[in-house]
Amino acid sequence: QVQLQESGPGLVKPSQTLSLTCTVSGGSISIGSYYWSWIRQPAGKGLEWIGRIYTSGSTNYNPSLKSRVTISVDTSKNQFSLNLSSVTAGDTAVYYCARASAVPGMPIDYWGQGTQVTVSS
Amino acid sequence: QSALTQPASVSGSPGQSITISCTGTSSDVGGYTYVSWYQQHPGKAPKLMINDVNNRPSGISNRFSGSKSGNTASLTISGLQAEDEADYYCSSYTSSSTSDVIFGGGTKLTVL
Repeated sequence: QVQLQESGPGLVKPSQTLSLTCTVSGGSISIGSYYWSWIRQPAGKGLEWIGRIYTSGSTNYNPSLKSRVTISVDTSKNQFSLNLSSVTAGDTAVYYCARASAVPGMPIDYWGQGTQVTVSS
Repeated sequence: QSALTQPASVSGSPGQSITISCTGTSSDVGGYTYVSWYQQHPGKAPKLMINDVNNRPSGISNRFSGSKSGNTASLTISGLQAEDEADYYCSSYTSSSTSDVIFGGGTKLTVL
């Protein structure tokens, strides 16, 4: 059973960089055809796809966030990470890491529990 | 790009059936059979209920079914149960930008 767990600071100051790590257990991050993804959800609002990284290391990002987002993978630690630069209060949200199948439609079959990140001075 | 359009809320009584719609365009819902539905209980992560318009992953009750007509996809829940009360989100592949996946705004299902 694959499990994902987000970790990182819960409070980030405006203009700084938000950094989160997702640790994957129950399976190797480098095996299989999956997109390792980040999705966020502001309080009381809907889901917003941030971006993903394939097992090969190729990435895709939401165009609205692309200039500020970097997703990377560390296969030796079975982890992938999110960096979001120049954050503002508008980036306050619950951040989820997730696994999506690398097929058209990219259904997300495993999610982390989510971690609250607040941007405030 | 714009999110897919879902009703803000729907409601039904136990045992009844309800349908949640998800409207997009020919660049997403209407152009492909790659619509997924997720259920989210308060404070929990979303859970995949339907993928590829009408496929139920293993372990998902057959009370949940999906369909699509034109640019609108639908999730139907039959035999409503109290535990079905949750937020539901649709998502679709989209050819309109490099992000290639978009979500609906979510629908709050209330079981009366």
